Amino acid sequence: DAKTTQPTSMDCAEGRAANLPCNHSTISGNEYVYWYRQIHSQGPQYIIHGLKNNETNEMASLIITEDRKSSTLILPHATLRDTAVYYCIVRSPLEGGGTSYGKLTFGQGTILTVHP
Amino acid sequence: DAGVIQSPRHEVTEMGQEVTLRCKPISGHDYLFWYRQTMMRGLELLIYFNNNVPIDDSGMPEDRFSAKMPNASFSTLKIQPSEPRDSAVYFCASSRRGGLNTEAFFGQGTRLTVV
Repeated sequence: DAKTTQPTSMDCAEGRAANLPCNHSTISGNEYVYWYRQIHSQGPQYIIHGLKNNETNEMASLIITEDRKSSTLILPHATLRDTAVYYCIVRSPLEGGGTSYGKLTFGQGTILTVHP
Repeated sequence: DAGVIQSPRHEVTEMGQEVTLRCKPISGHDYLFWYRQTMMRGLELLIYFNNNVPIDDSGMPEDRFSAKMPNASFSTLKIQPSEPRDSAVYFCASSRRGGLNTEAFFGQGTRLTVV
């Protein structure tokens, strides 16, 4: 699996944009970038995913560099409820070549703290 | 949709006892996953099913762990006998189909404490 590197922690002021970086320099052409977050004592929550193009949904935007070696998750107007651990995941095919499912392998993530 | 439903939310048991964790996936989802989360190891994939059939159980730590999916709407993860090192939060997740372009949705987890 392509490994990801994220900062251990970040702070953001409420109402401001939170920009969470992720490096995935060994990503392959068919691997997707996924973002999940985990609020304390809850299950991981899907945020967004993308392959090459930038993506936007009601929660966030995902900006992927042209060479795909890094990406940034943007929460446009962070609130206190966005305080969570954010996981950047490169989703790879099954080992052995199968493509029927790509594992979601979670790293340590970025602890985002949104403060008043 | 109610999302992925897990029960119980909390379980405290004595070492050596059998523990059964339950999961109801989102209706219409063909894939079901069991994860375990600890402070030391983070989130680990234990096993996953496709159309009720176990596909990859390479993450199951020991023979004490077993998982079943008797039908499309129910799965169990059993630990027998349980040990203190099994204490963790166990998550179930489901997705509509396989592939790299399909998100998985997680339940709220079962916090297991083995004393």
